[in-house]
Amino acid sequence: DQQVKQNSPSLSVQEGRISILNCDYTNSMFDYFLWYKKYPAEGPTFLISISSIKDKNEDGRFTVFLNKSAKHLSLHIVPSQPGDSAVYFCAAIPLGGAGSYQLTFGKGTKLSVIP
Amino acid sequence: DTGVSQNPRHKITKRGQNVTFRCDPISEHNRLYWYRQTLGQGPEFLTYFQNEAQLEKSRLLSDRFSAERPKGSFSTLEIQRTEQGDSAMYLCASSLTGGSYTFGSGTRLTVV
Repeated sequence: DQQVKQNSPSLSVQEGRISILNCDYTNSMFDYFLWYKKYPAEGPTFLISISSIKDKNEDGRFTVFLNKSAKHLSLHIVPSQPGDSAVYFCAAIPLGGAGSYQLTFGKGTKLSVIP
Repeated sequence: DTGVSQNPRHKITKRGQNVTFRCDPISEHNRLYWYRQTLGQGPEFLTYFQNEAQLEKSRLLSDRFSAERPKGSFSTLEIQRTEQGDSAMYLCASSLTGGSYTFGSGTRLTVV
């Protein structure tokens, strides 16, 4: 059972336009959500996160939106740059109780930014 | 500190052989995690250490897998009698309690 779902395996966007990556989750115990970026042959690199008490967090070109009632979050990248081309993983973690140290990842979305 | 270091980067082994991977976390991090990523999937949790104590093991971790973190520093992950299904990227991460994870670059295992 996939508790964190990224339903789009790939996304292509023109340079300078907005990239929107989506993520849905099913576990109500998740309190904290993260986005990781991964290049081939490298480990995931932390990008941005959001707590369940917020609905938006912004860091430069990256903004994460959380709709807790819909159990949905999205990552917006604007403007998109060719260097943003990578696989993006959505991850979630419960902050307390069992499994509070475990990240649960989605399957990832491969973003290609076309120059 | 150069981050989380994993060795080797690549390992090719014959089915049935034993393999061992090493992870050197960020020195002040008390938590260490092992994840496995197969093709087309996100990383999946395998096991977790707080200092030298192994506090949780996933059901993915069969009896052929064992992990250690002697003295709460580096960690090793051993796979005995490897099978083709063990082929994956094995990722190590470390963190402070309540802090963000830092992942290593992983060890890619190919079982032939």
